[in-house]
Amino acid sequence: QSVLTQPRSVSGSPGQSVTISCTGTSSDVGGYDYVSWYQHHPGKAPKLIIYDVSKRPSGVPDRFSGSKSGNTASLTISGLQAEDEADYYCCSYAGAYILYVFGTWTKVTVL
Amino acid sequence: QLQLLESGPGLVKPSETLSLSCSVSGASISSSYYYWGWIRQPPNKGLEWVGSIYYSGSTYYNPSLKSRVSISVDQSKNQFFLRLNSVTAADTAVYFCARQGRIFQEGFYYWGQGTLVAVSS
Repeated sequence: QSVLTQPRSVSGSPGQSVTISCTGTSSDVGGYDYVSWYQHHPGKAPKLIIYDVSKRPSGVPDRFSGSKSGNTASLTISGLQAEDEADYYCCSYAGAYILYVFGTWTKVTVL
Repeated sequence: QLQLLESGPGLVKPSETLSLSCSVSGASISSSYYYWGWIRQPPNKGLEWVGSIYYSGSTYYNPSLKSRVSISVDQSKNQFFLRLNSVTAADTAVYFCARQGRIFQEGFYYWGQGTLVAVSS
């Protein structure tokens, strides 16, 4: 039941920057500043890397940054490193009825 | 360091009830003001929020599952639980438990590694 649209894959060389988009509607991404991003290495526990659109939890490198414009949120990974190769999900609060929606995942490949 | 560990049967028959536990270590559910949630990932699909519970017992469910899902907490055991009844093959997924923030909308801060539940006869 993924509602937010993400690109299937993005790739970049070490040291480059990549940006992942997350497109929703005015009922979710555009309506609230509650977008979060997760890094998931398959078989491991997902990791929160961005919350409240652009805030980083303690311990998350500042290479990860988040932003939002209208109904689209974005995650940028600067200075791409080999360990950044993973699946990334966005998530948005979607109001008092739906509550939470996730995006389709984006596979980041480090070339 | 907060850790969450999911446990439960790996195989459930269609029409029966899926029951999972999430054991929390490194923090007390009863002495915090956090929300605790369940998220699932069907094979080759994305994540889906199942539901959440506040430490005091208030619950919040995905509307698409609301008629079949129940989440509860046992503060004395420092565990919370998921029950999903009348399961079908579409409920086959890796189920994750997670600790949310003190504000419900902030997202999922800590996750377990997940447990695979297959629905099959």
